[in-house]
Amino acid sequence: NFMLTQPHSVSESPGKTVTISCTRSSGSIASNYVQWYQQRPGSAPTTVIYEDNQRPSGVPDRFSGSIDSSSNSASLTISGLKTEDEADYYCQSYDSSNHAVFGGGTKLTVL
Amino acid sequence: QLQLQESGPGLVKPSETLSLTCTVSGGSISSSSYYWGWIRQPPGKGLEWIGSIYYSGSTYYNPSLKSRVTISVDTSKNQFSLKLSSVTAADTAVYYCARRGYSGYDFRPNWFDPWGQGTLVTVSS
Repeated sequence: NFMLTQPHSVSESPGKTVTISCTRSSGSIASNYVQWYQQRPGSAPTTVIYEDNQRPSGVPDRFSGSIDSSSNSASLTISGLKTEDEADYYCQSYDSSNHAVFGGGTKLTVL
Repeated sequence: QLQLQESGPGLVKPSETLSLTCTVSGGSISSSSYYWGWIRQPPGKGLEWIGSIYYSGSTYYNPSLKSRVTISVDTSKNQFSLKLSSVTAADTAVYYCARRGYSGYDFRPNWFDPWGQGTLVTVSS
């Protein structure tokens, strides 16, 4: 099976833009959709991006997703950072047998 | 609004079987458009998919847990359940249930949404 590798942590200042990467170890990143989940302490994850680049209703357009086949990776970009964006972010995709795989998570600090 | 709620014992002894139920409200578990899944998160660690089930009973399991996992569905009660056998301290985690969808465009699996609030299960004697 494959792995999704994320940076352990990232930090940026309010108002700036941050990008979190998610690299697939084998198989094409484009072969299955990538989702991104936000998890605040003590809460269940919520979806911020699904199907590579789609935002659920209620998620601000400061959140965007993309995939890059050349680097076999997905990215979550958050612009105009707010302190409320501070959370853990997880990428997630599937293998060819529809088994779900999660990345290890990235802790975003907005300081 | 669809809601999911996990229930079950918060403490399980080593070598015993962990059993949890997810009750779905605000929608039918028999919808042809969705699978229903279990995901866990050990304290301070990341998310791990355990498995998913369709209302017909068709299942997918994480290969690393497959030998110990059984997921079942009870459409009459709008519930699905998880059993994890021969537990050890490594199975201590918050267990979440969630709905998993399909893309309306190409039928590939997509997001887990919504999630239940999660329930902490501790494995200890």
